[in-house]
Amino acid sequence: ETGVTQSPTHLIKTRGQQVTLRCSSQSGHNTVSWYQQALGQGPQFIFQYYREEENGRGNFPPRFSGLQFPNYSSELNVNALELDDSALYLCASSGSGTGVYEQYFGPGTRLTVT
Amino acid sequence: GIQVEQSPPDLILQEGANSTLRCNFSDSVNNLQWFHQNPWGQLINLFYIPSGTKQNGRLSATTVATERYSLLYISSSQTTDSGVYFCAVDRYNQGGKLIFGQGTELSVKP
Repeated sequence: ETGVTQSPTHLIKTRGQQVTLRCSSQSGHNTVSWYQQALGQGPQFIFQYYREEENGRGNFPPRFSGLQFPNYSSELNVNALELDDSALYLCASSGSGTGVYEQYFGPGTRLTVT
Repeated sequence: GIQVEQSPPDLILQEGANSTLRCNFSDSVNNLQWFHQNPWGQLINLFYIPSGTKQNGRLSATTVATERYSLLYISSSQTTDSGVYFCAVDRYNQGGKLIFGQGTELSVKP
């Protein structure tokens, strides 16, 4: 069984640029959620994708957007990067249809905005 | 929205000691998970425990849903137990949209 993978591991961008982060879900999982973790804080929910549709969104501006592909992998896109976007971005996958939503997390992408 | 509070925020133990971490939540939840975040940032699943008691080796957890709290017990702690422990919950009809506490940072000294 393949776990959740994310790429890239680290990324340095300049304020105003755009970034795309990628996530492959665990095999058998059809739901992907994205979280942002600032230094010293708990992760915060950005949004969730289920069957290629956004299925809930946290308190993040529209410049945070995403996609889910037919193979359930997902992308997180952030436009017009700000210094406060520097954080660890975590992707989690889970199955659905059984009422059990145990989340499994990838290793994260550490984004630095300068 | 639902609030998740963890205590204590920091904990320093000698190797071999036992500890109890607490997670309080402000409303009914559908799901509760405990995670250990290692120094590289990876969140490792410890327990999926919306109610009841589970044990896995030196770790065990209990959730009392009616009283809105969960406890994580670590026995005979080892230096490899160091890191941040997070409790996270989601609401009914909000499956998979986890709300995290601020974490307990555990440091186990040899």
